[in-house]
Amino acid sequence: GAGVSQSPSNKVTEKGKDVELRCDPISGHTALYWYRQSLGQGLEFLIYFQGNSAPDKSGLPSDRFSAERTGGSVSTLTIQRTQQEDSAVYLCASSLALGRNTEAFFGQGTRLTVV
Amino acid sequence: GEDVEQSLFLSVREGDSSVINCTYTDSSSTYLYWYKQEPGAGLQLLTYIFSNMDMKQDQRLTVLLNKKDKHLSLRIADTQTGDSAIYFCAEDSGYALNFGKGTSLLVTP
Repeated sequence: GAGVSQSPSNKVTEKGKDVELRCDPISGHTALYWYRQSLGQGLEFLIYFQGNSAPDKSGLPSDRFSAERTGGSVSTLTIQRTQQEDSAVYLCASSLALGRNTEAFFGQGTRLTVV
Repeated sequence: GEDVEQSLFLSVREGDSSVINCTYTDSSSTYLYWYKQEPGAGLQLLTYIFSNMDMKQDQRLTVLLNKKDKHLSLRIADTQTGDSAIYFCAEDSGYALNFGKGTSLLVTP
């Protein structure tokens, strides 16, 4: 596609349920990033992928969060047993390559509300 | 870790200049970025500056970099109502960008 696509755009879920957020990066982009944007907290870096590999998972907030990427393309961020503090906008970005000065293009985000 | 710092709000009148300031943390950042986020939208790269430059001008945008103080600023000349948005400063940490909390710019007629 022309840009980074995220789905769903909005998700309301009950506390304790699992959710899966999807990111379709720009075709050919090998690097993919997940960020979380909470009110008043700016953008919190969660995880990055180089191809299908995520070398550093330390940015994930807890072990309820996991992410995978398959075929060097689509990525899913899964949150198990959601809590109210997980409510945020989850942003995905992709870039041609990993490293400095490779422009990151952002999707419009998934707004997650846990009730 | 340390945070990239920005003031949270700025209000200017249409036609005036806006200056958004940022203090970053990583002195080894090669590039520093300004992103813009309009309501309900993702982030859009506005401009960036290479760390060996002091200034970069791009139409109405001027970026100033003071490496000694790790201070970055974005000046928007002749600010328009369409410039109302959240502006994020970001430093590159090698594999991902480290963002500030964003400055909400409100442009009033």
